[in-house]
Amino acid sequence: QSALTQPASVSGSPGQSITISCTGTSSDVGGYNYVSWYQQHPGKAPKLMIYDVSNRPSGVSNRFSGSKSGNTASLTISGLQAEDEADYYCSSYTSSITLYVFGTGTKVTVL
Amino acid sequence: QVQLVESGGGLVKPGGSLRLSCAASGFTFSDYYMSWIRQAPGKGLEWVSYISSSGSTIYYADSVKGRFTISRDNAKNSLYLQMNSLRAEDTAVYYCAREVQLGYYFDYWGQGTLVTVSS
Repeated sequence: QSALTQPASVSGSPGQSITISCTGTSSDVGGYNYVSWYQQHPGKAPKLMIYDVSNRPSGVSNRFSGSKSGNTASLTISGLQAEDEADYYCSSYTSSITLYVFGTGTKVTVL
Repeated sequence: QVQLVESGGGLVKPGGSLRLSCAASGFTFSDYYMSWIRQAPGKGLEWVSYISSSGSTIYYADSVKGRFTISRDNAKNSLYLQMNSLRAEDTAVYYCAREVQLGYYFDYWGQGTLVTVSS
């Protein structure tokens, strides 16, 4: 099972919006609405930001939103803030016997 | 509040074994599925293994199948990962993570424990 494909890095200025893509196949991202997104600051554990493609857990800023089209899911961060600088990973349920697959990860830099 | 605390990491030689533990608190452990997820130094996240709430259903990543064994003790609110025949490429921070039943996502993560496989 190959990792989902994400851009290595995305950057933006404070206040701007950025979008991170996550491309898989019809066996994972495209086949199920079970895409989640995680934020990870250096040396910290990942934190759930989006689940089931577009749902935000309680306590997560509404500046974070998720969507999906075909085999590609996306995470959009609007009103970019310095605290958003982190690594972001997507994840999907997969019909392969491995159950879950993560994305390659995207480093977000706030300029 | 939900807490997951991993332990048992350390330095081990190639071919050796190690048992990781994850102590859960702040929620009804037996109601939740659990997974182990690892992250090699400077690399991305890799899902390792899953266990259902009762322990009756288990899955493994191909990279660890036949070498790692996941288990849980609901009476002790604990999750385990027995790792045998360790290889250099198993070097990583190992996280335990909670899954909501039929949720297909990880809503809480532990702080991780580092496993280093080196001679």
